[in-house]
Amino acid sequence: NAGVTQTPKFQVLKTGQSMTLQCAQDMNHNSMYWYRQDPGMGLRLIYYSASEGTTDKGEVPNGYNVSRLNKREFSLRLESAAPSQTSVYFCASSRIFTGSNQPQHFGDGTRLSIL
Amino acid sequence: DAKTTQPNSMESNEEEPVHLPCNHSTISGTDYIHWYRQLPSQGPEYVIHGLTSNVNNRMASLAIAEDRKSSTLILHRATLRDAAVYYCIPPLNYGGSQGNLIFGKGTKLSVKP
Repeated sequence: NAGVTQTPKFQVLKTGQSMTLQCAQDMNHNSMYWYRQDPGMGLRLIYYSASEGTTDKGEVPNGYNVSRLNKREFSLRLESAAPSQTSVYFCASSRIFTGSNQPQHFGDGTRLSIL
Repeated sequence: DAKTTQPNSMESNEEEPVHLPCNHSTISGTDYIHWYRQLPSQGPEYVIHGLTSNVNNRMASLAIAEDRKSSTLILHRATLRDAAVYYCIPPLNYGGSQGNLIFGKGTKLSVKP
């Protein structure tokens, strides 16, 4: 009964390093999302994948890339980490993309610090 | 974004019912109202959603006003594990062309033993 699994849970990087955050869901959902949450702020959408084989930019895509590896997995890559990318990153999934009858299910997050 | 109004914080005693209100006076259309919660150091968790009438699930009940401009999340017996920030998300803040959920500030619920 894992739901959405994110790895790693914590990571510290130096400025300029690269890293990939992994996300996998076992609910056979079609759509997946990456959000970031900064202290005292709500979630902001970075990228999303409405279905396998598609990805699109969200509200704050600069500095990130994504890959929908298969239906289960959606990864987020930081090519050259910057201190402004210090945040908590959440992956989410939903059965389908559109329609307000589709709850999103979230992982527990990756806490990323960039020095 | 649709404007929502929730109390900043509420307190409850353990094993007592909790009623968390939300005003979404600018709501329109026939889309669902959603509630999520976020426990400390965890990701947001879907709680319940509804359209026009009361809804129940294993976690909570949702009462929606007849005009749909307000809703109330009901936890029947609060436990310490229910201490979290609760977010009411009206249709205009839900999904849309980018699937983006727009979370407001929510209500921080404290549960006292």
